[in-house]
Amino acid sequence: AQKITQTQPGMFVQEKEAVTLDCTYDTSDPSYGLFWYKQPSSGEMIFLIYQGSYDQQNATEGRYSLNFQKARKSANLVISASQLGDSAMYFCAMSGLNFNKFYFGSGTKLNVKP
Amino acid sequence: GAVVSQHPSRVICKSGTSVKIECRSLDFQATTMFWYRQFPKQSLMLMATSNEGSKATYEQGVEKDKFLINHASLTLSTLTVTSAHPEDSSFYICSADSGGYGYTFGSGTRLTVV
Repeated sequence: AQKITQTQPGMFVQEKEAVTLDCTYDTSDPSYGLFWYKQPSSGEMIFLIYQGSYDQQNATEGRYSLNFQKARKSANLVISASQLGDSAMYFCAMSGLNFNKFYFGSGTKLNVKP
Repeated sequence: GAVVSQHPSRVICKSGTSVKIECRSLDFQATTMFWYRQFPKQSLMLMATSNEGSKATYEQGVEKDKFLINHASLTLSTLTVTSAHPEDSSFYICSADSGGYGYTFGSGTRLTVV
């Protein structure tokens, strides 16, 4: 069975600084995908970044990068140069072998201070 | 980019009535859509997988007779909460595989049963 763990219920970061949101996972599937989503207070889920289990390099998308450490089963999200608009809930998710289901972590609420 | 339209965004209904929530893929075909439920300050829990032209697959513990899912076309899946009760009040959100790495989510429906 798949399991996603986010141990930080809430985080604060100063505007313009970088922040790391932690995510660890557990799976027996040899192939899987790891995702990060942002959920503002309005509720929609915004896709941020994807990392495939066989990808050799860490994924990057603009200010977002994913620190993928396969042996440690971690997929931390790094947000550089935080902006006030980054304040939101952030969910780590994993898809199984067939990429047909998502398993979500419990989320981290990020607050960016001016 | 891929868009999934979900409506209504908010609905208030009386206890005992039924509510239908629609999820449409606007610019792509989705043979599979997913329905999630999210309680306040909690993560998204997969309720069911909706398959076009066939019966939905429900997760363990989800009452299929209470949460009716219909996926009659490649662009539309509906979730009907039958005989709603206050404990069904929640945020319901759908997603679909749009062909990219990240599944595209609808904007969610906040259901309040009074």
